[in-house]
This record gives sequence, C-alpha cells and structure tokens, in this order.
Amino acid sequence: SQQGEEDPQALSIQEGENATMNCSYKTSINNLQWYRQNSGRGLVHLILIRSNEREKHSGRLRVTLDTSKKSSSLLITASRAADTASYFCATDAKNNNDMRFGAGTRLTVKP
Amino acid sequence: EPEVTQTPSHQVTQMGQEVILRCVPISNHLYFYWYRQILGQKVEFLVSFYNNEISEKSEIFDDQFSVERPDGSNFTLKIRSTKLEDSAMYFCASRERAGGPIGYSNQPQHFGDGTRLSIL
Repeated sequence: SQQGEEDPQALSIQEGENATMNCSYKTSINNLQWYRQNSGRGLVHLILIRSNEREKHSGRLRVTLDTSKKSSSLLITASRAADTASYFCATDAKNNNDMRFGAGTRLTVKP
Repeated sequence: EPEVTQTPSHQVTQMGQEVILRCVPISNHLYFYWYRQILGQKVEFLVSFYNNEISEKSEIFDDQFSVERPDGSNFTLKIRSTKLEDSAMYFCASRERAGGPIGYSNQPQHFGDGTRLSIL
C-alpha cells in the first residue's frame, strides 16, 4: 500500500507552541500533500511538496520530505486555537491517478 | 474562489435502495475523484476519473458502485443497493491537469464539503 501513515495519532499543545506531525509512506511518489480537516467538514489543501523537493514553507507551515526514508513532516509554528483540526498526509504515487491518505493526526491547541 | 460543491449535504436511505451523490467539480478541472470517510476513520480513495473513464479504483469500489459525468459539469457516484456499512461521509474532489504524463498531476486536489450518507 502507498498509504501515508501519520504519527502521532493525537497531539495536544498550548497556544504559541509548535506542533510537529510526521508521515511515512511505502511506495515511490510524485508528490506528497498535507490536508487539514475540521470536524465534519471537507479537506482543505495546505501544501504540496514534489518528490524532488526537500523543504517547503507556507506561512506558519513548514514541510520536509525525505524520499530516502519515505517520510515527511509538517511543522506548524506559533500554533493558535484555530489550528485545532485533523491533519492528513496524502501521497500521489508515480503513474497512478489516485491519492492515498493516512489515518491523520488529531491536533488540539489549547488557548 | 471556485469550489467543488456537493449535494445533498445529508442523505438518509433505506438499506437496499439506490442512492446517487452529486458533485459539481471546478469548471476547468480535468481529474475527478470520490473518497469516503467512515466516522472516526481515515479518508479512503474510491475512484478517479479522467477523460470520461475510470482511471483508478480501489478494492472498495465494487460492482455496487458506479460513476458518471452525465453532462460535462456534474460528476455522480451511484450506489446500486446500499448496505449498512456504506454509511459514511462521501467526498468529491477535482484537480487541474498540470502537464506530465497522462494520468497524474502535480496540482492539489480540491475537495467538496461532503455528503453524509446514512443507511437505515
């Protein structure tokens, strides 16, 4: 399976702290994407990192990709209560038109 | 900003009945997808659709499921004879073609807000 698998499954931090979530996958990929889901809602795309990229930033988000270890991390800096949500990584395998999600990390940011 | 829209937001159906979930993808997008998420579980890929045909499908997408793009704007998922275990959120997604070999894209997928399907 090419599915990404996140850890930790749940993370609880105080507002202002940084949150780091990790993702591992199994197959060769074209890109890896991180999505956010508020409870009962659809997924919102956060950031896409291509297989030939090692790090990408978007606002308070920083994503790294290590294709040799088949892993990625999402760092949210200076977290806010509004960052409370589930975060999923998803992988686009080479030559497949599908995307497989991991189980997600449930992030709780306490005010 | 253009968005993917799904209707209805909640569908309640008796077991054994047929159900059609509807999606309107973003207008210039060429790849279309259906996913499902059973309550509290991960998002599961069902099927992808490109150039008016299925390009990939998962083991979940059995003969009870079908997809169609009937009129160039809607993208539908039909479940022929629903089972209790079909109860889930169903998400539609679409994305642009962005060069490269046919069948993949380095653009993000844009998701609708989902249809909650409840089978009684």
